[in-house]
Amino acid sequence: ETGVTQTPRHLVMGMTNKKSLKCEQHLGHNAMYWYKQSAKKPLELMFVYSLEERVENNSVPSRFSPECPNSSHLFLHLHTLQPEDSALYLCASSQEIGNNEQFFGPGTRLTVL
Amino acid sequence: GENVEQHPSTLSVQEGDSAVIKCTYSDSASNYFPWYKQELGKGPQLIIDIRSNVGEKKDQRIAVTLNKTAKHFSLHITETQPEDSAVYFCAAIVSNYQLIWGAGTKLIIKP
Repeated sequence: ETGVTQTPRHLVMGMTNKKSLKCEQHLGHNAMYWYKQSAKKPLELMFVYSLEERVENNSVPSRFSPECPNSSHLFLHLHTLQPEDSALYLCASSQEIGNNEQFFGPGTRLTVL
Repeated sequence: GENVEQHPSTLSVQEGDSAVIKCTYSDSASNYFPWYKQELGKGPQLIIDIRSNVGEKKDQRIAVTLNKTAKHFSLHITETQPEDSAVYFCAAIVSNYQLIWGAGTKLIIKP
């Protein structure tokens, strides 16, 4: 295991639902990331947190709302999603932001109906 | 915006043969180039990385080469084994912390 856990592993939701994805890292890292992975496309960085402060928001629609209550936990709150938001959502952590190894969780497979 | 091109998208090789995956990047300021392997049902995992002050790095059967002038870098796997079957991603760092990723190469090792 990588030391990064994600729950749930699978999620099916309607467009009017509100749900949250959870990520927890047990590595003592200071940086955490949310990525979107769609088939045959590059990983898309959504959000970066360093020491619980948001560093990056890559023009992500407001229907995705991140939360980092402490350096070990990261949430992605979802509301009024679209079918095109269906994808694998990956959480990662690294010791610091920058040219450091990122450790990934297994991802949450999200399907929006 | 900055991008990383990765080729081929699928690569099928006979067990025991070598595999080569190539990437090009656009940001000349990039100085860190990792390679990740993703197995089914798992997140990507770092297998090797290279920084811009070296041209080649090797770790057992895996090697990475970097040509900064041409903005190319490549992953070489020798003596391929069934457990090498996976999707491989290259990436380049921009803006001091953001990784820009290639679209991935599905490597198939034929027995």
